[in-house]
Amino acid sequence: GNSVTQMEGPVTLSEEAFLTINCTYTATGYPSLFWYVQYPGEGLQLLLKATKADDKGSNKGFEATYRKETTSFHLEKGSVQVSDSAVYFCALPFTGGFKTIFGAGTRLFVKA
Amino acid sequence: DVKVTQSSRYLVKRTGEKVFLECVQDMDHENMFWYRQDPGLGLRLIYFSYDVKMKEKGDIPEGYSVSREKKERFSLILESASTNQTSMYLCASSSGGDNGNTIYFGEGSWLTVV
Repeated sequence: GNSVTQMEGPVTLSEEAFLTINCTYTATGYPSLFWYVQYPGEGLQLLLKATKADDKGSNKGFEATYRKETTSFHLEKGSVQVSDSAVYFCALPFTGGFKTIFGAGTRLFVKA
Repeated sequence: DVKVTQSSRYLVKRTGEKVFLECVQDMDHENMFWYRQDPGLGLRLIYFSYDVKMKEKGDIPEGYSVSREKKERFSLILESASTNQTSMYLCASSSGGDNGNTIYFGEGSWLTVV
């Protein structure tokens, strides 16, 4: 069945540093891939998604490219801000639909 | 703007109490979900529902039940609360069965069982 693995955190960066959070998956077929973000004290919200191979999702300066050949969907941002401090979750649909599988989450701390 | 609303942000209950967590969505979504989130364990699915009066067990249904009498409302019930159910509970919804659909989350309910 489908599964997702993302890098463990926490990740601590200084403001304006480059961010990469790794995510790899195993899947039947070519499901959509998602990144969700959870800010302190809140629920999760969609950050970006890609629906097919080679698609690039982007939002708020974050990007991720659906790489079929490496089964990866790494999250990147060129210059992080303190306000990006949050937990980031990679996700994909469970085999057969309805449910979604979430990675363990990667906590990001950005220092001023 | 789409919205999933959880009735209580913070609750403190006693061991053995019956606890109701309510969730309402205004997007006419077919699917609704209850997760719990604990440090180091990520998100774990408790129950989900893909239609009114339909429910399916998730990964950790023990000690919980759910009710979906109306499309917009999905309730999580702790029949007899225990301290190991102290956690953050997240309600979510999504449309249809297509794999490209976004899940929308509520802000979470922090439950402490003493």
